[in-house]
Amino acid sequence: GPKVLQIPSHQIIDMGQMVTLNCDPVSNHLYFYWYKQILGQQMEFLVNFYNGKVMEKSKLFKDQFSVERPDGSYFTLKIQPTALEDSAVYFCASSPRTGGAEVFFGKGTRLTVV
Amino acid sequence: QQQVRQSPQSLTVWEGETAILNCSYEDSTFDYFPWYHQFPGESPALLIAIRPVSNKKEDGRFTIFFNKREKKFSLHIADSQPGDSATYFCAASDSAGNKLTFGIGTRVLVRP
Repeated sequence: GPKVLQIPSHQIIDMGQMVTLNCDPVSNHLYFYWYKQILGQQMEFLVNFYNGKVMEKSKLFKDQFSVERPDGSYFTLKIQPTALEDSAVYFCASSPRTGGAEVFFGKGTRLTVV
Repeated sequence: QQQVRQSPQSLTVWEGETAILNCSYEDSTFDYFPWYHQFPGESPALLIAIRPVSNKKEDGRFTIFFNKREKKFSLHIADSQPGDSATYFCAASDSAGNKLTFGIGTRVLVRP
């Protein structure tokens, strides 16, 4: 089936540094998402993105976070600067439309901030 | 605020038994309720979903039961197989469907 690819699978970074998480969504999908899962907790919505713009973001999407998809390449989540509480698994997802369309997820990137 | 509650957090059943996973929600605007499953090292993947116009949705051995009045829905896995062992997440979204609110997940182990 359709695959969402996330690169890298693991990332360790020093607190205060910048990190970029990369996502290659399903090729014909138009809506893109990031979710955050802290160990032992549920996956939580961060942000969705359509037509080059953020449509909606949650309170977890701090000012240090940004997303973009320049020229149809990777959909990226950038955190600058990172904080210890940013340590989590970040899942990228995509869908062809909203309103109940199937959302396809990547395997996640495990980010550890030390 | 935990808007979707899921229980149990872990469940062990014998092969052939029915596994029952439960979820409840608070937001009355939710109108789409999918279940995802995730095998170790893999992506969460859509298993089955329901909208409140129905109170039951079946797909093979997997059935969602939905109770709109009580704001509860459950996943029944009939004739459980060892290959069903995975983590199952319930979720919900509103009609705009721009984001999913997930439960904490249920780790299911099916013993042969």
